[in-house]
Amino acid sequence: KNQVEQSPQSLIILEGKNCTLQCNYTVSPFSNLRWYKQDTGRGPVSLTIMTFSENTKSNGRYTATLDADTKQSSLHITASQLSDSASYICVVSAATNAGKSTFGDGTTLTVKP
Amino acid sequence: DAGITQSPRHKVTETGTPVTLRCHQTENHRYMYWYRQDPGHGLRLIHYSYGVKDTDKGEVSDGYSVSRSKTEDFLLTLESATSSQTSVYFCAIATGDSYEQYFGPGTRLTVT
Repeated sequence: KNQVEQSPQSLIILEGKNCTLQCNYTVSPFSNLRWYKQDTGRGPVSLTIMTFSENTKSNGRYTATLDADTKQSSLHITASQLSDSASYICVVSAATNAGKSTFGDGTTLTVKP
Repeated sequence: DAGITQSPRHKVTETGTPVTLRCHQTENHRYMYWYRQDPGHGLRLIHYSYGVKDTDKGEVSDGYSVSRSKTEDFLLTLESATSSQTSVYFCAIATGDSYEQYFGPGTRLTVT
């Protein structure tokens, strides 16, 4: 069964600090991995998308890494801001499982002043 | 929100009543999806569509039906709402299967 596990479940950091969120998956065969940010009360918004051949992708202060061999991804947030407080969701799509991306449960990040 | 609207945004209904949620897109994307999101769970796929009149079930399709008569509209119907269907429902669109998905603002449904 395809699975995506994210850790930690929740995280609290101080403004200005860096943090790293983890995503492990068992989806196969792999097509792509996406990270989304979801603010409270809103729909998820895409941060990055990586295919098999990409091991790093940046979007401003967000940097995602992918190790397709170990089936692990991380999302690193640099110099956190209060607006980074949100849920971060890892999503993995299989090359053969049409229409059915596997979603992680998300990591809830709280940035405190 | 990438040209996606959902209506209504909030709805309270009674157990046993039919409910229809609407997703409308202006992007002309081929794929459309309905998800539900509950505390303690990630987004779970209810149904998706890969073209007009072409739909398929997701992992939590029981109690739900969908229709897509036009490219821009994807309707989700709860034939007889139950309290277990209280949730936040998100619509998403994509240009291709397994591609980037763009999400709507969500509909909060409460079944009393």
